[in-house]
Amino acid sequence: EVQLVESGGGLVQPGGSLRLSCTASGFTFSNYAMSWVRQAPGKGQEWVSLIKGSGDSTYYADSVKGRFTISRDNSKNMLYLQMDSLRAEDTAVYYCAKGNLANLARVPFDYWGQGTLVTVSS
Amino acid sequence: DIVMTQSPDSLAVSLGERVTINCKSSQSVFFSSNSKNYLAWYQQKPGQPPKLLIYWASTRESGVPDRFSGSGSGTDFTLTISSLQAEDVAVYYCQQYYSNPPALTFGGGTKVELK
Repeated sequence: EVQLVESGGGLVQPGGSLRLSCTASGFTFSNYAMSWVRQAPGKGQEWVSLIKGSGDSTYYADSVKGRFTISRDNSKNMLYLQMDSLRAEDTAVYYCAKGNLANLARVPFDYWGQGTLVTVSS
Repeated sequence: DIVMTQSPDSLAVSLGERVTINCKSSQSVFFSSNSKNYLAWYQQKPGQPPKLLIYWASTRESGVPDRFSGSGSGTDFTLTISSLQAEDVAVYYCQQYYSNPPALTFGGGTKVELK
């Protein structure tokens, strides 16, 4: 059974940093692109970042480019999101999500974690 | 970035009625090399993450009831629920995954409620 479990969310002051983690199980992690998607309170979904299965290519939404860094450790089945220079508008539930087809990046997400809440406030 | 626009924002329907949700992309998401539309539909219920319903515009994800169907091509797409069930009350999102390099974008969502 595929499982994705996020951790690392919490309250942080504007300008601060936070590192999110996603523990994956139930599939061959290194074969699949992974993404972070966020949802601000009462709002819709916003894709944040994607990393290919090998980890050699990463992509970001313009809203987080230069501030967030996605990475993965395929030996540990872990996905990460390093978030720096956080702003109030980054407040959201952050989901990790798995691409639905192996070895492809431009695919939808067939499994999502339950999400971790990040609150940026003084 | 490709902008996805959904309509309506919300709708209230009776049990058993047909539901139609529209999604329009600011540019075509049809890739001629493989004849596929890079368009997905998700369902999100309160307190839950989104669930993939449809991909490649019309391919139903495994386990999704056949009352859900997707259609359309190019820039205009539709999600249809043929006969609304109580468990279908949710917010529905379309998403394009055509952009290269990847820059996935979602529509604003359509809330389906019971009348």
